[in-house]
Amino acid sequence: EPEVTQTPSHQVTQMGQEVILRCVPISNHLYFYWYRQILGQKVEFLVSFYNNEISEKSEIFDDQFSVERPDGSNFTLKIRSTKLEDSAMYFCASSEPGALNSPLHFGNGTRLTVT
Amino acid sequence: AQTVTQSQPEMSVQEAETVTLSCTYDTSESDYYLFWYKQPPSRQMILVIRQEAYKQQNATENRFSVNFQKAAKSFSLKISDSQLGDAAMYFCAYRSGDDKIIFGKGTRLHILP
Repeated sequence: EPEVTQTPSHQVTQMGQEVILRCVPISNHLYFYWYRQILGQKVEFLVSFYNNEISEKSEIFDDQFSVERPDGSNFTLKIRSTKLEDSAMYFCASSEPGALNSPLHFGNGTRLTVT
Repeated sequence: AQTVTQSQPEMSVQEAETVTLSCTYDTSESDYYLFWYKQPPSRQMILVIRQEAYKQQNATENRFSVNFQKAAKSFSLKISDSQLGDAAMYFCAYRSGDDKIIFGKGTRLHILP
């Protein structure tokens, strides 16, 4: 079964540095998402992406964050000037075009640790 | 704004017994979908079951079933014949016309051998 893949599985960075989290969605999916989960807390929506542009973003997704689909397969989340509170698990997800009942397929996540 | 509420932060069930996880939601939409996701210790997010709001029949997937009460905006998950591998965090989720999914805070399920 096709999977969403995320790399790296764990990223450690120093405060103030920039990180890029990478995702390869399922190939025939057209909707892409980033979610984050601070340890022990709920899964929070960051951003959705469709047709090469952001379709929706949350209050969390401020100017520090950006997303890009640089080629036909990758979907990246860039976090500039990282802060300690950015430490979290970041999940990429994708879903099929069309029906609302298409579930989101999640990657295994990237654990970001900001020191 | 839509909200999803899971009022049970943690639950425990004896192996082979049945457990029900609660979820309520708030929406003014009439067309939407509801999901339960499982997050095991590996931290993956795995779809367990989904329910279309327009369907009266409750969804079932093997040992997993839901009790969907649209008027009450309730969507509980029943796990029958609980197994050790069912131990995980369970998230209730809602999706409507704007395509994002909104998650509840989760219920941590412990399986007692």
